[in-house]
Amino acid sequence: DTEVTQTPKHLVMGMTNKKSLKCEQHMGHRAMYWYKQKAKKPPELMFVYSYEKLSINESVPSRFSPECPNSSLLNLHLHALQPEDSALYLCASSGGLAEGTDTQYFGPGTRLTVL
Amino acid sequence: KNQVEQSPQSLIILEGKNCTLQCNYTVSPFSNLRWYKQDTGRGPVSLTIMTFSENTKSNGRYTATLDADTKQSSLHITASQLSDSASYICVVRGGSNDYKLSFGAGTTVTVRA
Repeated sequence: DTEVTQTPKHLVMGMTNKKSLKCEQHMGHRAMYWYKQKAKKPPELMFVYSYEKLSINESVPSRFSPECPNSSLLNLHLHALQPEDSALYLCASSGGLAEGTDTQYFGPGTRLTVL
Repeated sequence: KNQVEQSPQSLIILEGKNCTLQCNYTVSPFSNLRWYKQDTGRGPVSLTIMTFSENTKSNGRYTATLDADTKQSSLHITASQLSDSASYICVVRGGSNDYKLSFGAGTTVTVRA
């Protein structure tokens, strides 16, 4: 099973709402990632978790709050977002950060629209 | 700054024809290079991966080449199919301790019947 699942597929929220994106993998991977992708642009790394601990925060605004409840799950909590935060949010996982030829497996993404 | 440049930005080909996509990078030190296929609104899917010592890798109708000396890679699609319509992204990983991937902007391929 090389699948990363993400829910929901689509999300529309107002600027005052609080919502969460979910990501799950059952490949035994120990590294998980959140990316943001705007239309016709490459993905931009937001957060990296390694062994359920936040390893990297790429200077992401605090209105995005990641959480890794266990080794298979990764959440992204959203609060007080801006319209410019509308994008495709991709989750990925890999065996580990130090694995040189490690492949990052991407989920299908959540299409987020902030009104 | 590590950069990955892809060309062309987009191309249209007829079903059954071949095409070649280009990727130039400046990432150093170099660990590996991947080509991903991304359908619209979906996550990227890995097609091939090549390390420094590999200069060609095939996956079905997709063949990737790598020239680590000139820091160039290409992806050749043979006998294109309508399902090949997607964005193809070149992704380079730096040294083995570098977790970050450098993404190209992608080439959008449209296959027409």
